[in-house]
Amino acid sequence: QQQVKQSPQSLIVQKGGISIINCAYENTAFDYFPWYQQFPGKGPALLIAIRPDVSEKKEGRFTISFNKSAKQFSLHIMDSQPGDSATYFCAARTFGNEKLTFGTGTRLTIIP
Amino acid sequence: EAGVAQSPRYKIIEKRQSVAFWCNPISGHATLYWYQQILGQGPKLLIQFQNNGVVDDSQLPKDRFSAERLKGVDSTLKIQPAKLEDSAVYLCASSLELEEHSGYTFGSGTRLTVV
Repeated sequence: QQQVKQSPQSLIVQKGGISIINCAYENTAFDYFPWYQQFPGKGPALLIAIRPDVSEKKEGRFTISFNKSAKQFSLHIMDSQPGDSATYFCAARTFGNEKLTFGTGTRLTIIP
Repeated sequence: EAGVAQSPRYKIIEKRQSVAFWCNPISGHATLYWYQQILGQGPKLLIQFQNNGVVDDSQLPKDRFSAERLKGVDSTLKIQPAKLEDSAVYLCASSLELEEHSGYTFGSGTRLTVV
């Protein structure tokens, strides 16, 4: 079954701290792993993505760590800011098919 | 560039009524998707179009849901008759090409409440 499991469901982090969201998958045919950020009343927006041939990708304060053998990947947000407060979804795609399978989402709240 | 446009933003209907949502993708985007996002869950694909052809509708409840993409541009999603469990946000997204993932661009969605 093409499932992506995401945790935690909600996360509260102090401003300046590190936010970490984890995802795990079963389907080894997945070849692309994006993270989406969603603000209330808006559609999800692509934040950062990784392919399984690399173990880490960094863009600004956002880093994806990927562990192919464990079939896990995570999003790290460094120096978390109140503006980062949103719901984050991990997702996965099978090669040759643009369909994305989404995790259940993590509601991140950054407190001053 | 203009984003993905969806209308209406909100809709409240009674169960057993019908409803239609409209989506205008980003110009030049060949692939269009309709996702259903139930409160507290991740988006779930309902149907995927490549130009005006259906690529994947395996999770579309075809007894009540229908979708079309005439001329490979705009798309409409219809529910008839609606059930209480159809209450959700319906998201439209588009992307450039089937094989090259450049990230979806989602619209802001239509929030449907069935009472």
